[in-house]
Amino acid sequence: QVQLVQTGSELKKPGASVKVSCKASGYTFTDYALNWVRQAPGQGLEWMGWINTNTGNPTYAPGFTGRFVFSLDTSVSTAYLQISSLKTEDTAVYYCARGGGWLDPWGQGTLVTVSS
Amino acid sequence: DIQMTQSPSSLSASVGDRVTITCRARQGISNYLAWYQHKPGKVPKLLIYAASTLQSGVPSRFSGSGSGTDFTLTISSLQPEDVATYYCQKYNSAPWTFGQGTKVEIK
Repeated sequence: QVQLVQTGSELKKPGASVKVSCKASGYTFTDYALNWVRQAPGQGLEWMGWINTNTGNPTYAPGFTGRFVFSLDTSVSTAYLQISSLKTEDTAVYYCARGGGWLDPWGQGTLVTVSS
Repeated sequence: DIQMTQSPSSLSASVGDRVTITCRARQGISNYLAWYQHKPGKVPKLLIYAASTLQSGVPSRFSGSGSGTDFTLTISSLQPEDVATYYCQKYNSAPWTFGQGTKVEIK
C-alpha cells in the first residue's frame, strides 16, 4: 500500500540543525509531488511548501524561506526537510504528504523539539 | 496570498445532529478545495477533494459543496468517532493555505 514513513522524534538545542526524512513506498516516487506541513503545539496545520520529485525544484510558502530546505534522494524514494539555526518556536510536528493539490497520504509526523 | 476563513472555530453537537462547517476564500478558487479530519495524536485524513468528491473509504455521511469563494463540509448525522478538528485547504495556486480549523465535539 501507499505509505510515507518519517524519521522518529528529534530533540535539538537552539542554533542546531535537523534533517527529517520521509520515505515513500507503494508507488512511483517521481509520479507525485511531496509536501511538508507543520503543526506547532496547540496550533493548526501550516503548509510549508512542496518539492517537485521529477525536477527537485522546491516551492516554499511565505515564512518558510531561508532556514528551511527541501531535498530528495530519488534512488531511495526519500524526501528530506532540513531546518537550520533552530529556534524554540520551530518546536512542532512536521508531516510530509503526497500530492500535487489535495494531500494523501500523510506520513506519521515527526516531532521536533527545540530546547536548551 | 489567499486567506481561508473557517467558521465556526468550534462547535458542540449531539450524536445524530447535522453539522455544517463553512470555509470562505478571499478570492475565487474554483473547486480547488480539500477537507481534512485531524484527530488528536493521529495523522490528518483526507475526506473530500475537488470541493465535493468523497475520498475512497470515507463514510457517506460526509459531504462537501461549493465553488468559487464559499464552501461547506456537512456531516449528515454526527457520530462519536467524528470528534476531531476539520480543516479546509485551497490548492488552486501556491501557497496551498489551510483554514484555521474547526473543532467538533459531542454535546
